[in-house]
Amino acid sequence: NAGVTQTPKFQVLKTGQSMTLQCAQDMNHNSMYWYRQDPGMGLRLIYYSASEGTTDKGEVPNGYNVSRLNKREFSLRLESAAPSQTSVYFCASSDDVVLRGGGELFFGEGSRLTVL
Amino acid sequence: QKEVEQNSGPLSVPEGAIASLNCTYSDRGSQSFFWYRQYSGKSPELIMSIYSNGDKEDGRFTAQLNKASQYVSLLIRDSQPSDSATYLCAVEGNYGQNFVFGPGTRLSVLP
Repeated sequence: NAGVTQTPKFQVLKTGQSMTLQCAQDMNHNSMYWYRQDPGMGLRLIYYSASEGTTDKGEVPNGYNVSRLNKREFSLRLESAAPSQTSVYFCASSDDVVLRGGGELFFGEGSRLTVL
Repeated sequence: QKEVEQNSGPLSVPEGAIASLNCTYSDRGSQSFFWYRQYSGKSPELIMSIYSNGDKEDGRFTAQLNKASQYVSLLIRDSQPSDSATYLCAVEGNYGQNFVFGPGTRLSVLP
């Protein structure tokens, strides 16, 4: 059972280049998320999608765009990469968005991005 | 802006001891609290969730919640070297059912 799959796992970009991080889940979850993790700062939410066809900004959305392609797939795009976007990116999914209390987040393995 | 604070550590305990990890949060309205474990270079995985004041036990792990003090903790009994990891506290946040994560506490269990 694959769970949440992210690609690529590693990427090096030059400032100004663009790229897309892909994420797919096979757990039939409604909600999907993109987080970034920087040393000493924990996980910060970039964007999330509560259901197919909807996306919303999180805590740190600037410089990113997302697309919820279908229920399974949620991509994150950097249009013009900057060194400040050097980070580890995690995609996650959960099956409980409506009820107060939330549900367990299932994470992908992470994508390590370096912007030179 | 809701905040979640944790002591970054490292917290070092000898094998077999009790490890105590602490977390405070700023939003009194928060209702859901989670502990995730993250091994170096890996993704976070859920250990415990707690929603009501008091203690919740699961094997060697006990989560404690005190909403009046805005404090949540994780106790690990009989600590093992395999428990060495970073422990992330997460609190229900602003964005739908998403969570605000603390910076994490690095735990080292010494054989």
